[in-house]
Amino acid sequence: AQSVTQPDIHITVSEGASLELRCNYSYGATPYLFWYVQSPGQGLQLLLKYFSGDTLVQGIKGFEAEFKRSQSSFNLRKPSVHWSDAAEYFCAVGGGGTGFQKLVFGTGTRLLVSP
Amino acid sequence: DVKVTQSSRYLVKRTGEKVFLECVQDMDHENMFWYRQDPGLGLRLIYFSYDVKMKEKGDIPEGYSVSREKKERFSLILESASTNQTSMYLCASSLEGGGNSPLHFGNGTRLTVT
Repeated sequence: AQSVTQPDIHITVSEGASLELRCNYSYGATPYLFWYVQSPGQGLQLLLKYFSGDTLVQGIKGFEAEFKRSQSSFNLRKPSVHWSDAAEYFCAVGGGGTGFQKLVFGTGTRLLVSP
Repeated sequence: DVKVTQSSRYLVKRTGEKVFLECVQDMDHENMFWYRQDPGLGLRLIYFSYDVKMKEKGDIPEGYSVSREKKERFSLILESASTNQTSMYLCASSLEGGGNSPLHFGNGTRLTVT
């Protein structure tokens, strides 16, 4: 069964600084990988997804993520963080097998942005 | 844009009450899901449905049931609410059942059981 680890519970970044949120997954075949963001009091919004092809994927709000098969990682990055990026971020992995497949979510990383 | 609407943002119920959480999606999606979200535990799947009147248990179905009488509506039922069911409940839908189909989430219902 697939699993996702987000090792950082909280991260604090200064506004304007770069950001990297870590995600490691476990899955026996090529995974489908997602990053979601949850602003306070809201549901989750899809930031970006990786299915195949180019290992660097671009998403909304200036975010990108890089799939590294050798490290089983799918880290989320942003070159310059804005105060509005303060939120909780979830990595998720889906399977590519036949039949109905579920997404498995990590436990989330809460991003705090300092002035 | 897909819209997933959860009927209540906040609910306060008493222990032992029967609780209904309603969710409606407007994009004709086949699949609908109920998750609960707790600090430090992330999102855990309670139940999902891939067709009308079809339902499957997720990872933590105990104490819950679901109903899907119409394609657009998926209800979560707490048969006898308990304090350990105090949580944020998130409904989601997806077009396809494959692992490559992104989920579209509602804004959540924060349930408090006293």
